[in-house]
Amino acid sequence: EAGVVQSPRYKIIEKKQPVAFWCNPISGHNTLYWYLQNLGQGPELLIRYENEEAVDDSQLPKDRFSAERLKGVDSTLKIQPAELGDSAVYLCASSTGTSGSDEQFFGPGTRLTVL
Amino acid sequence: GENVEQHPSTLSVQEGDSAVIKCTYSDSASNYFPWYKQELGKRPQLIIDIRSNVGEKKDQRIAVTLNKTAKHFSLHITETQPEDSAVYFCAAGGNTGKLIFGQGTTLQVKP
Repeated sequence: EAGVVQSPRYKIIEKKQPVAFWCNPISGHNTLYWYLQNLGQGPELLIRYENEEAVDDSQLPKDRFSAERLKGVDSTLKIQPAELGDSAVYLCASSTGTSGSDEQFFGPGTRLTVL
Repeated sequence: GENVEQHPSTLSVQEGDSAVIKCTYSDSASNYFPWYKQELGKRPQLIIDIRSNVGEKKDQRIAVTLNKTAKHFSLHITETQPEDSAVYFCAAGGNTGKLIFGQGTTLQVKP
């Protein structure tokens, strides 16, 4: 079974530029998560989708971050404009169910560096 | 708000020794407690999980214990090997659909 796919793996941009990350979850997984992982820290949830619906975006900084999962499969996370503090790893995960007690499978992440 | 505290932040052991990592959580509604291992530059991978209806679970050299009354759970690795060296994260989840992660423990196993 193919795992969660993310691209790009690395991205370097200058501050104030836009950036987008893409995630393709495991086939059949209805729930998709975007996490932010700062260096030396645990993942922090940004947004959670059940199919195409964003059911928890309370931690997403909506002034500059946006996300979509139009057909309930792959998803895009965008930052516009990027700030220096956005440098981090952006992880995507997926799970079969919708409760917090389903195993989440993580992608390899996108490491963002904002200069 | 919901919180998971993890200790220690770093742990160094000799090969063959045991390692213990401890976590406490704040949300009494949490009922799912996974542990993830993350090697440098790689994705977090689930190594073991426990649900609130059991107190202990074992898988070869890895075990997890849960004390719901104290809101405390621990990871135990016995007979550690150099390939166990990684960052380990605990997490707590429940019916909200959300996992709250601890801050991570960097485990170093010295040969």
